[in-house]
Amino acid sequence: GAVVSQHPSRVICKSGTSVKIECRSLDFQATTMFWYRQFPKQSLMLMATSNEGSKATYEQGVEKDKFLINHASLTLSTLTVTSAHPEDSSFYICSATDMVEKLFFGSGTQLSVL
Amino acid sequence: AQSVAQPEDQVNVAEGNPLTVKCTYSVSGNPYLFWYVQYPNRGLQFLLKYITGDNLVKGSYGFEAEFNKSQTSFHLKKPSALVSDSALYFCAVRGDGQNFVFGPGTRLSVLP
Repeated sequence: GAVVSQHPSRVICKSGTSVKIECRSLDFQATTMFWYRQFPKQSLMLMATSNEGSKATYEQGVEKDKFLINHASLTLSTLTVTSAHPEDSSFYICSATDMVEKLFFGSGTQLSVL
Repeated sequence: AQSVAQPEDQVNVAEGNPLTVKCTYSVSGNPYLFWYVQYPNRGLQFLLKYITGDNLVKGSYGFEAEFNKSQTSFHLKKPSALVSDSALYFCAVRGDGQNFVFGPGTRLSVLP
């Protein structure tokens, strides 16, 4: 079964609305979660790294006010795309790790902003 | 600094033939090495990992990888490729106390 659960798998929203994506580690405590964005036929682009109980670390060029990340517990991190616009349409993937030897990915969320 | 290289953007192989997807890395300290597979519009699925122990690691779907310390490589292999193996493959590495770094991915196409 899935070790990391990511919801929703697909979301379509209107421009200007906010969308929240959840990432849960199901059977281990994830001290760190990563959020990636992936464009069609391209590699993963790391957006941010979040450690439980602290502020996320964003990669250069990623707007932290637009992509809000919360990692309030060892099993849940959320990514909120605020005031989404068509250029935010993409495939978003989370991963969770215990920073030892477990690193698992969610199934991804396809965001389409109309 | 840590880095991972997957020198081939695309690998084509005929069904039934052996396949190899290459990965080389650079880390300080002991490496933790991983392979993941991504099917279209899906998340990444874990295939196998090397932490310690035998250099030859066996994973899911008949894949295996060999850790070669002297060549700093962790190539993914399968003795007989299937059309269903066609996907995007990512190698990842982590050094002691360091973050995970992913390779750019290699697209594998298995031709019938």
